[in-house]
Amino acid sequence: NAGVTQTPKFQVLKTGQSMTLQCAQDMNHNSMYWYRQDPGMGLRLIYYSASEGTTDKGEVPNGYNVSRLNKREFSLRLESAAPSQTSVYFCASCMGQANVLTFGAGSRLTVL
Amino acid sequence: DQQVKQNSPSLSVQEGRISILNCDYTNSMFDYFLWYKKYPAEGPTFLISISSIKDKNEDGRFTVFLNKSAKHLSLHIVPSQPGDSAVYFCAASGGTSGTYKYIFGTGTRLKVLA
Repeated sequence: NAGVTQTPKFQVLKTGQSMTLQCAQDMNHNSMYWYRQDPGMGLRLIYYSASEGTTDKGEVPNGYNVSRLNKREFSLRLESAAPSQTSVYFCASCMGQANVLTFGAGSRLTVL
Repeated sequence: DQQVKQNSPSLSVQEGRISILNCDYTNSMFDYFLWYKKYPAEGPTFLISISSIKDKNEDGRFTVFLNKSAKHLSLHIVPSQPGDSAVYFCAASGGTSGTYKYIFGTGTRLKVLA
């Protein structure tokens, strides 16, 4: 019973490089989310997908793109990484509105 | 504009006493609220939630209170245990444009002293 699985757990990039964070859930959840956590800033919503086939911007979408590949998978892409994107990224999922979010263990990204 | 605020970055309490964590929100359309606990190097884990049709919800040592007129919720932990030491986040969702958006506060670091 894996829940929400994120890969990779750690990544170091140089400024300008691109990368994709992968997220998969095995709970048959409809909605999926990407958050970033920074000191003093809490968890900020980057993008979310209310259901398969839809994606919407959250609080801090600039510099990111997402793909809801299927019901299980939701990826986050950084096309040209910047030092300001150094953060811990969390993927989460839930059945839908007014439901409990289940989080993955996080992906720590450092951009030099 | 921070829609969900946790104004106390940290809180220390003695083991066995009550811990009270506070959260304020500005969007009156929010109708579902959650509390999460986070240990270092782990993802947040769900603690307790409350719908706006209620003003209190209990689960064991954890109770959440909601004051809609004040746009304020609080989490009470009684009795506090050293294992409760963690960062606590409140979150809110709801409204016609925010039904699927879960907005989190900045967190409060709780330290329970043995």
